[in-house]
Amino acid sequence: DQQVKQNSPSLSVQEGRISILNCDYTNSMFDYFLWYKKYPAEGPTFLISISSIKDKNEDGRFTVFLNKSAKHLSLHIVPSQPGDSAVYFCAATLGSGSARQLTFGSGTQLTVLP
Amino acid sequence: ETGVTQSPTHLIKTRGQQVTLRCSSQSGHNTVSWYQQALGQGPQFIFQYYREEENGRGNFPPRFSGLQFPNYSSELNVNALELDDSALYLCASRPTAGTANTEAFFGQGTRLTVV
Repeated sequence: DQQVKQNSPSLSVQEGRISILNCDYTNSMFDYFLWYKKYPAEGPTFLISISSIKDKNEDGRFTVFLNKSAKHLSLHIVPSQPGDSAVYFCAATLGSGSARQLTFGSGTQLTVLP
Repeated sequence: ETGVTQSPTHLIKTRGQQVTLRCSSQSGHNTVSWYQQALGQGPQFIFQYYREEENGRGNFPPRFSGLQFPNYSSELNVNALELDDSALYLCASRPTAGTANTEAFFGQGTRLTVV
């Protein structure tokens, strides 16, 4: 049972345009959602997170939106840059303190074309 | 502040052998998790250690085992290797106090190939 799903394996956008990456989840107990970026031969790098009590969190060019009723979140990157080309993983977590665990989606390969 | 480091970076083993992967956590982090990332998939949670005790486990068989040491470094051991164990193994550490305990910091991973 895949609790976190990223249904688009790949996405291509033009430099300067908006990139929108989507993620769906099934477990309503998740209380934090995170986005990680991964370059080849490197480990995932934390990008941005959002608490389930919020519907938007912004950090520079990156904004995450959460729609709890639809169990859906999205990552917006504006403007997109070639250096943003990477695999983006959506992750969700629940629990407290040391018991927290991350559940990942399968990732979306973003390619930003110059 | 040093990050999470893993060793070795690449490893080739034969089916049936045993392997030990190592991870040095980020300074100040007392929780470490291990993940398996197969090709084309997201990282899958294997298990987690807090203060040298396992406190969470994913859907992996008992031949996957681990240790966490007093200095918070850790090991992942896999016995009786199977071809399907070929994957990128990721270690992640995080603090458990304060508001930052949701964010995990990952190492670069160990690429294990079983032949």
